[in-house]
Amino acid sequence: QVQLQESGPGLVKPSETLSLTCSVSGGSINSYYWTWIRQPPGKGLEWIGYIYYSGSTNYNPSLKSRVTISVDTSKNQFSLKLRSVTAADTAVYYCARVGGSSSTGIDYWGQGNLVTVSS
Amino acid sequence: EIVLTQSPDFQSVTPKEKVTITCRASQSIGSSLHWYQQKPDQSPKLLIKYASQSFSGVPSRFSGSGSGTDFTLTINSLEAEDAATYYCHQSSSLPQTFGQGTKVEIK
Repeated sequence: QVQLQESGPGLVKPSETLSLTCSVSGGSINSYYWTWIRQPPGKGLEWIGYIYYSGSTNYNPSLKSRVTISVDTSKNQFSLKLRSVTAADTAVYYCARVGGSSSTGIDYWGQGNLVTVSS
Repeated sequence: EIVLTQSPDFQSVTPKEKVTITCRASQSIGSSLHWYQQKPDQSPKLLIKYASQSFSGVPSRFSGSGSGTDFTLTINSLEAEDAATYYCHQSSSLPQTFGQGTKVEIK
């Protein structure tokens, strides 16, 4: 059973960089797409972007200028960096696996990491 | 960007009743539409992929249908544990997008 676990600070100051890592266990990171989704408190889901295990990426244009997703296959991890954060970036950040191809459903999710942007 | 509009936003339902949630896309997305269930303080769980394919382990009372721009999630014989918010998600074109969610409450 594939399991994903987000790790990173729960509090980030405005204008700084949000950094999260997702550790994948119970399966290899190879041959899949991996994605980050966020959910502001009490609101819906927003797709941030995805990365293929080979390193190719696609980002949401609304965040593209500030976001980087990277992968470390040797550690079975992938990461999210979001620069110049504001209070609007406060959300639960989920890492997840896209099953099979880039266009299929998101089949395994982490438990989520609440990140609050505040001074 | 493709906009997904779910209806209704909220539904209060009696156990054993049938629930129907619709998701309309702002342009055709073929069958690249997926459904998720999210309970409070939990991460979303995949129920249906590609409009009508049940994900492994999902109870048979959950089913999906549709193609193009109009899609439906049906819960036959609602159980108390089905109280949750349900989201549709399109992966046909980038950026991928989600519907606003439909909250299902048990009466």
